[in-house]
Amino acid sequence: DTAVSQTPKYLVTQMGNDKSIKCEQNLGHDTMYWYKQDSKKFLKIMFSYNNKELIINETVPNRFSPKSPDKAHLNLHINSLELGDSAVYFCASSQDPSKFGANVLTFGAGSRLTVL
Amino acid sequence: AQSVSQHNHHVILSEAASLELGCNYSYGGTVNLFWYVQYPGQHLQLLLKYFSGDPLVKGIKGFEAEFIKSKFSFNLRKPSVQWSDTAEYFCAELYGGSQGNLIFGKGTKLSVKP
Repeated sequence: DTAVSQTPKYLVTQMGNDKSIKCEQNLGHDTMYWYKQDSKKFLKIMFSYNNKELIINETVPNRFSPKSPDKAHLNLHINSLELGDSAVYFCASSQDPSKFGANVLTFGAGSRLTVL
Repeated sequence: AQSVSQHNHHVILSEAASLELGCNYSYGGTVNLFWYVQYPGQHLQLLLKYFSGDPLVKGIKGFEAEFIKSKFSFNLRKPSVQWSDTAEYFCAELYGGSQGNLIFGKGTKLSVKP
């Protein structure tokens, strides 16, 4: 069983469209994250959710809206897609850092978004 | 702003050569450091981590890293690389303690020639 699974793996769409990427983890973790990896392979955190509550919201356009229906899921919805949104988006999860201290993030396989 | 610096953008080695990838971190508080590896087309996997204790950390696949506090460094090493080590390597620091914000370096691409 995949620990952190993301769908879709590849997504090609036109500018202006709205799309969603889904993420699910079966590790029993309380905290989930979205990271963006740009064309130069630079990874940057976008959001962090702890038990369905938003903890970190880095400087990300309002067009990006995370939604956590339960602690095992963190979906990323993107409105009005722009060319610059093309990237690989990685979901990750970990135990709650506030309870367990620093611990390891487990990453999903990534979702490659291409905006034409 | 907190940052993690990786000095080498692309390293090319022959098999059996020794490897050292540089990493410097900037956060001066409680230090939690990681090296992740991303094989071509795959997701990030943890190689090793340092939270406290012995500054020489051993990870998977023969990798090790040394935490040197005075130099703010956490360099990754391997005595003898293999073709299968070809990948992108990311140094990362956990910033913000309970927030769990992992700050990544820009990555070093390692190409190993058979």
